Amino acid sequence: GAVVSQHPSWVICKSGTSVKIECRSLDFQATTMFWYRQFPKQSLMLMATSNEGSKATYEQGVEKDKFLINHASLTLSTLTVTSAHPEDSSFYICSARWRGIYNEQFFGPGTRLTVL
Amino acid sequence: EDQVTQSPEALRLQEGESSSLNCSYTVSGLRGLFWYRQDPGKGPEFLFTLYSAGEEKEKERLKATLTKKESFLHITAPKPEDSATYLCAVQARTGSQGNLIFGKGTKLSVKP
Repeated sequence: GAVVSQHPSWVICKSGTSVKIECRSLDFQATTMFWYRQFPKQSLMLMATSNEGSKATYEQGVEKDKFLINHASLTLSTLTVTSAHPEDSSFYICSARWRGIYNEQFFGPGTRLTVL
Repeated sequence: EDQVTQSPEALRLQEGESSSLNCSYTVSGLRGLFWYRQDPGKGPEFLFTLYSAGEEKEKERLKATLTKKESFLHITAPKPEDSATYLCAVQARTGSQGNLIFGKGTKLSVKP
Protein backbone atom coordinates (compact mmCIF):
# COMPACT_ATOMS: atom_id res chain seq x y z
CA GLY A 1 0.00 0.00 0.00
CA ALA A 2 0.93 3.65 -0.30
CA VAL A 3 3.16 4.82 2.53
CA VAL A 4 3.64 8.39 3.71
CA SER A 5 6.17 9.24 6.37
CA GLN A 6 6.57 12.30 8.54
CA HIS A 7 9.55 13.51 10.49
CA PRO A 8 9.80 14.21 13.31
CA SER A 9 6.96 12.36 15.02
CA TRP A 10 7.05 14.81 17.88
CA VAL A 11 8.90 18.01 18.70
CA ILE A 12 9.09 20.36 21.65
CA CYS A 13 10.44 23.83 21.09
CA LYS A 14 10.69 27.20 22.78
CA SER A 15 8.42 30.07 21.84
CA GLY A 16 9.90 32.13 19.01
CA THR A 17 11.81 29.34 17.34
CA SER A 18 11.05 27.77 13.96
CA VAL A 19 10.24 24.14 13.38
CA LYS A 20 10.40 22.18 10.13
CA ILE A 21 8.28 19.10 9.48
CA GLU A 22 8.99 16.79 6.56
CA CYS A 23 6.44 14.73 4.66
CA ARG A 24 7.57 12.05 2.25
CA SER A 25 5.71 9.65 -0.01
CA LEU A 26 7.87 6.54 0.13
CA ASP A 27 6.58 4.30 -2.62
CA PHE A 28 4.67 6.55 -5.01
CA GLN A 29 4.85 9.93 -6.69
CA ALA A 30 2.51 12.51 -5.24
CA THR A 31 1.17 15.20 -7.52
CA THR A 32 -0.33 17.01 -4.57
CA MET A 33 0.38 17.06 -0.86
CA PHE A 34 -1.90 18.47 1.80
CA TRP A 35 -1.20 19.77 5.29
CA TYR A 36 -3.77 19.42 8.04
CA ARG A 37 -3.99 20.48 11.63
CA GLN A 38 -5.92 18.59 14.28
CA PHE A 39 -6.77 19.80 17.76
CA PRO A 40 -7.74 17.34 20.53
CA LYS A 41 -11.05 15.61 19.86
CA GLN A 42 -11.52 17.63 16.67
CA SER A 43 -11.46 16.57 13.06
CA LEU A 44 -8.82 17.46 10.53
CA MET A 45 -8.68 21.03 9.29
CA LEU A 46 -7.01 21.63 5.96
CA MET A 47 -4.29 24.26 6.17
CA ALA A 48 -2.83 24.27 2.70
CA THR A 49 -2.41 22.37 -0.52
CA SER A 50 0.89 22.12 -2.32
CA ASN A 51 1.76 20.97 -5.80
CA GLU A 52 5.26 20.03 -6.80
CA GLY A 53 7.15 23.00 -8.16
CA SER A 54 4.51 25.62 -7.46
CA LYS A 55 3.39 27.82 -4.60
CA ALA A 56 1.10 26.39 -1.96
CA THR A 57 -2.55 27.36 -1.74
CA TYR A 58 -3.57 28.30 1.78
CA GLU A 59 -7.00 27.99 3.32
CA GLN A 60 -8.73 31.09 4.59
CA GLY A 61 -7.41 32.14 7.95
CA VAL A 62 -4.07 30.35 7.64
CA GLU A 63 -1.09 32.72 7.69
CA LYS A 64 1.17 31.90 4.77
CA ASP A 65 4.09 33.78 6.30
CA LYS A 66 3.83 31.74 9.46
CA PHE A 67 3.32 28.33 7.90
CA LEU A 68 5.83 28.05 5.08
CA ILE A 69 5.32 25.16 2.71
CA ASN A 70 7.83 23.91 0.19
CA HIS A 71 7.10 21.09 -2.24
CA ALA A 72 10.48 20.49 -3.78
CA SER A 73 9.84 17.15 -5.44
CA LEU A 74 7.14 14.59 -6.15
CA THR A 75 8.01 12.80 -2.93
CA LEU A 76 8.81 15.57 -0.45
CA SER A 77 6.95 18.48 1.07
CA THR A 78 7.99 20.49 4.13
CA LEU A 79 6.03 22.64 6.54
CA THR A 80 7.95 25.21 8.54
CA VAL A 81 6.24 26.82 11.49
CA THR A 82 8.04 30.13 11.90
CA SER A 83 8.31 31.97 15.20
CA ALA A 84 6.20 29.35 16.91
CA HIS A 85 3.98 30.28 19.83
CA PRO A 86 2.10 28.10 22.33
CA GLU A 87 -1.13 28.48 20.35
CA ASP A 88 0.61 26.73 17.44
CA SER A 89 0.85 23.58 19.54
CA SER A 90 -1.15 20.94 17.69
CA PHE A 91 -1.03 17.69 15.76
CA TYR A 92 0.09 18.33 12.18
CA ILE A 93 -0.67 15.71 9.57
CA CYS A 94 0.29 15.61 5.92
CA SER A 95 -1.29 13.59 3.15
CA ALA A 96 -0.24 12.78 -0.39
CA ARG A 97 -2.36 12.13 -3.38
CA TRP A 98 -1.23 9.48 -5.79
CA ARG A 99 -0.21 10.54 -9.24
CA GLY A 100 -2.63 8.21 -10.93
CA ILE A 101 -6.23 7.82 -11.96
CA TYR A 102 -7.56 7.51 -8.45
CA ASN A 103 -8.12 10.26 -5.92
CA GLU A 104 -7.17 8.57 -2.71
CA GLN A 105 -5.14 10.57 -0.22
CA PHE A 106 -2.75 8.70 2.03
CA PHE A 107 -1.87 10.21 5.35
CA GLY A 108 1.34 10.38 7.29
CA PRO A 109 1.52 9.38 10.97
CA GLY A 110 1.42 12.99 12.14
CA THR A 111 3.75 15.27 14.07
CA ARG A 112 2.93 16.43 17.59
CA LEU A 113 4.23 19.98 18.08
CA THR A 114 4.45 21.43 21.56
CA VAL A 115 5.59 25.03 21.93
CA LEU A 116 6.65 26.04 25.43
CA GLU B 1 -21.71 24.96 1.19
CA ASP B 2 -20.14 21.51 1.10
CA GLN B 3 -20.68 19.72 4.38
CA VAL B 4 -20.19 16.33 6.03
CA THR B 5 -22.06 15.20 9.15
CA GLN B 6 -21.26 11.96 10.94
CA SER B 7 -23.42 10.20 13.48
CA PRO B 8 -23.33 9.10 16.16
CA GLU B 9 -20.44 11.03 17.70
CA ALA B 10 -19.61 8.02 19.84
CA LEU B 11 -20.69 4.41 19.74
CA ARG B 12 -20.08 1.71 22.32
CA LEU B 13 -20.54 -1.89 21.27
CA GLN B 14 -20.03 -5.27 22.82
CA GLU B 15 -17.73 -7.59 20.95
CA GLY B 16 -19.77 -9.30 18.25
CA GLU B 17 -22.54 -6.68 18.25
CA SER B 18 -22.92 -5.44 14.67
CA SER B 19 -23.84 -1.84 13.93
CA SER B 20 -23.57 0.97 11.37
CA LEU B 21 -22.00 4.41 11.27
CA ASN B 22 -23.62 7.15 9.23
CA CYS B 23 -22.10 9.87 7.07
CA SER B 24 -24.48 12.41 5.54
CA TYR B 25 -23.14 14.83 2.99
CA THR B 26 -24.07 17.80 0.86
CA VAL B 27 -21.65 18.58 -1.92
CA SER B 28 -21.78 20.36 -5.24
CA GLY B 29 -21.03 17.29 -7.31
CA LEU B 30 -19.44 14.32 -5.61
CA ARG B 31 -16.11 13.16 -6.95
CA GLY B 32 -15.55 10.63 -4.21
CA LEU B 33 -16.41 9.69 -0.62
CA PHE B 34 -13.68 8.35 1.62
CA TRP B 35 -13.61 6.42 4.85
CA TYR B 36 -10.60 6.50 7.15
CA ARG B 37 -9.78 4.97 10.51
CA GLN B 38 -7.78 7.00 13.00
CA ASP B 39 -6.19 5.66 16.15
CA PRO B 40 -5.24 8.08 18.96
CA GLY B 41 -2.08 10.05 18.18
CA LYS B 42 -1.81 8.68 14.65
CA GLY B 43 -2.66 9.78 11.15
CA PRO B 44 -5.79 8.51 9.39
CA GLU B 45 -5.55 5.10 7.75
CA PHE B 46 -7.27 4.77 4.38
CA LEU B 47 -10.14 2.28 4.26
CA PHE B 48 -12.41 2.85 1.26
CA THR B 49 -13.27 5.15 -1.61
CA LEU B 50 -16.77 5.18 -3.06
CA TYR B 51 -17.53 7.03 -6.27
CA SER B 52 -21.17 6.51 -7.19
CA ALA B 53 -24.52 5.74 -5.58
CA GLY B 54 -25.09 2.04 -5.16
CA GLU B 55 -21.43 1.22 -4.85
CA GLU B 56 -20.31 -1.08 -2.02
CA LYS B 57 -16.87 -2.09 -0.79
CA GLU B 58 -15.80 -4.59 1.85
CA LYS B 59 -12.71 -5.21 3.89
CA GLU B 60 -12.71 -7.84 6.62
CA ARG B 61 -15.49 -6.88 9.05
CA LEU B 62 -16.17 -3.52 7.39
CA LYS B 63 -18.53 -2.75 4.54
CA ALA B 64 -19.11 0.73 3.11
CA THR B 65 -22.14 1.72 1.05
CA LEU B 66 -23.10 4.91 -0.74
CA THR B 67 -26.33 6.64 -1.71
CA LYS B 68 -26.85 10.08 -3.20
CA LYS B 69 -27.10 11.66 0.25
CA GLU B 70 -25.23 9.44 2.67
CA SER B 71 -22.82 6.63 3.27
CA PHE B 72 -22.87 3.86 5.84
CA LEU B 73 -19.98 1.98 7.35
CA HIS B 74 -21.31 -1.36 8.54
CA ILE B 75 -19.29 -3.23 11.13
CA THR B 76 -20.08 -6.93 11.42
CA ALA B 77 -19.19 -8.80 14.61
CA PRO B 78 -16.70 -6.16 15.75
CA LYS B 79 -13.65 -6.97 17.84
CA PRO B 80 -11.90 -4.77 20.43
CA GLU B 81 -9.18 -4.00 17.88
CA ASP B 82 -11.80 -2.24 15.76
CA SER B 83 -11.97 0.48 18.40
CA ALA B 84 -10.93 3.77 16.77
CA THR B 85 -12.35 6.97 15.37
CA TYR B 86 -13.82 6.53 11.91
CA LEU B 87 -13.67 9.55 9.65
CA CYS B 88 -15.73 10.24 6.56
CA ALA B 89 -14.64 12.76 3.93
CA VAL B 90 -15.91 13.94 0.57
CA GLN B 91 -14.15 15.35 -2.42
CA ALA B 92 -16.14 17.75 -4.58
CA ARG B 93 -15.91 17.91 -8.35
CA THR B 94 -15.58 21.68 -8.16
CA GLY B 95 -12.44 21.55 -6.03
CA SER B 96 -9.56 21.80 -8.46
CA GLN B 97 -7.04 20.79 -5.83
CA GLY B 98 -8.91 17.69 -4.78
CA ASN B 99 -8.98 18.57 -1.12
CA LEU B 100 -11.14 16.57 1.27
CA ILE B 101 -13.89 17.86 3.53
CA PHE B 102 -13.97 15.84 6.72
CA GLY B 103 -16.72 15.07 9.17
CA LYS B 104 -16.01 15.16 12.89
CA GLY B 105 -15.81 11.41 13.11
CA THR B 106 -17.45 8.62 15.09
CA LYS B 107 -15.51 7.26 18.02
CA LEU B 108 -16.12 3.53 18.23
CA SER B 109 -15.40 1.55 21.38
CA VAL B 110 -15.75 -2.22 21.32
CA LYS B 111 -15.75 -3.94 24.69
CA PRO B 112 -14.74 -7.59 25.07
